[in-house]
Amino acid sequence: RKEVEQDPGPFNVPEGATVAFNCTYSNSASQSFFWYRQDCRKEPKLLMSVYSSGNEDGRFTAQLNRASQYISLLIRDSKLSDSATYLCVVKGSSGSARQLTFGSGTQLTVLP
Amino acid sequence: ETGVTQTPRHLVMGMTNKKSLKCEQHLGHNAMYWYKQSAKKPLELMFVYNFKEQTENNSVPSRFSPECPNSSHLFLHLHTLQPEDSALYLCASSQDPSGENTGELFFGEGSRLTVL
Repeated sequence: RKEVEQDPGPFNVPEGATVAFNCTYSNSASQSFFWYRQDCRKEPKLLMSVYSSGNEDGRFTAQLNRASQYISLLIRDSKLSDSATYLCVVKGSSGSARQLTFGSGTQLTVLP
Repeated sequence: ETGVTQTPRHLVMGMTNKKSLKCEQHLGHNAMYWYKQSAKKPLELMFVYNFKEQTENNSVPSRFSPECPNSSHLFLHLHTLQPEDSALYLCASSQDPSGENTGELFFGEGSRLTVL
């Protein structure tokens, strides 16, 4: 089983749609969770951290379900500029797991 | 403009060549990383340096040799690579005062390597 698993997509949605991505992780001891965004032929950038209570940043909402070991990202009122690959990232608690483990990413294309 | 600069952006090399990738960060961070990104695969952590000391070597073949002369510069020396080493090599930095990765990495735009 992959450490961090994401549906690769692609997700093709019309402008204004709501889209949700899920991500599952295998290590129950994982401590911190993040969503990164990577535009085509560009570097990954931190989009938002994911907190246990769930958190929102404008049109973006991230949620964590520790019992089921999954993380979600919801994008409301999607814009053309949201087209990118969204990377789920998990951080462990000790040793080499302190480093970040990346999922393969979910590709989103927002269509006009 | 990114605070992490990588050169060259593109590199084509033969299997017997020796080349180097360079990374420089202008953010005052103390940790630097090399990642490999292949198509449809997750980013793979290769090496971690904290305050110029290598703290992680993720079972990377010896044909990849990192060098960190100071906390702002990181090199990846390449020698006798294989075609399957063709990938995007990303450098990143972070501010980790206690050696703990806070979760926010700042990436360079990457060096796209093709091995013939």
